[in-house]
Amino acid sequence: AQSVTQLDSHVSVSEGTPVLLRCNYSSSYSPSLFWYVQHPNKGLQLLLKYTSAATLVKGINGFEAEFKKSETSFHLTKPSAHMSDAAEYFCVVSDQNSGYALNFGKGTSLLVTP
Amino acid sequence: DAGVTQSPTHLIKTRGQHVTLRCSPISGHKSVSWYQQVLGQGPQFIFQYYEKEERGRGNFPDRFSARQFPNYSSELNVNALLLGDSALYLCASSLWQGQGSYNEQFFGPGTRLTVL
Repeated sequence: AQSVTQLDSHVSVSEGTPVLLRCNYSSSYSPSLFWYVQHPNKGLQLLLKYTSAATLVKGINGFEAEFKKSETSFHLTKPSAHMSDAAEYFCVVSDQNSGYALNFGKGTSLLVTP
Repeated sequence: DAGVTQSPTHLIKTRGQHVTLRCSPISGHKSVSWYQQVLGQGPQFIFQYYEKEERGRGNFPDRFSARQFPNYSSELNVNALLLGDSALYLCASSLWQGQGSYNEQFFGPGTRLTVL
């Protein structure tokens, strides 16, 4: 069975400082991994995805994530936080065992302070 | 182009009632999936449909059912509503063709269901 663990339920950073949102996964098959963002009262938006190509994945709005198989991790980073980054972030795993349905983590709420 | 649309946006029901939620996928997308997002949690997979056939089902009771129509729109039905069914119900569509690897899922804004 596949699963996702987001290690922090809340993260607070100052504007202009780096962001790190941590995610560990488990999967019996070669997984696809994603980060989605959900702003208040808005739909889910795909930030980036890993599908067995390059292990360092670049997404929208300056976000990146690195797939580390040995550590079963897929942490999300951004060099410099912006106020507009404040939102809920979800790490997601998908594999053939699940019929490629998306398995979401519980989410990390990112707060950006001035 | 229009994105995934869902109706209604909000709904209030009482325990024991039945509810139908609707979803229209992005034009050209033949796969539709449904997710339930309880407040403070990540979305949970309910169903996946492709070409009007169920291709995947999450761990939800038989009170939950869905179908997909010839125009690829979809309905999610929930019978005998419980207080715990209160949630945001999300629909997603993709170019997935029923097999093979992942295709990006595009999410609609959701239907907020409140059960009193």
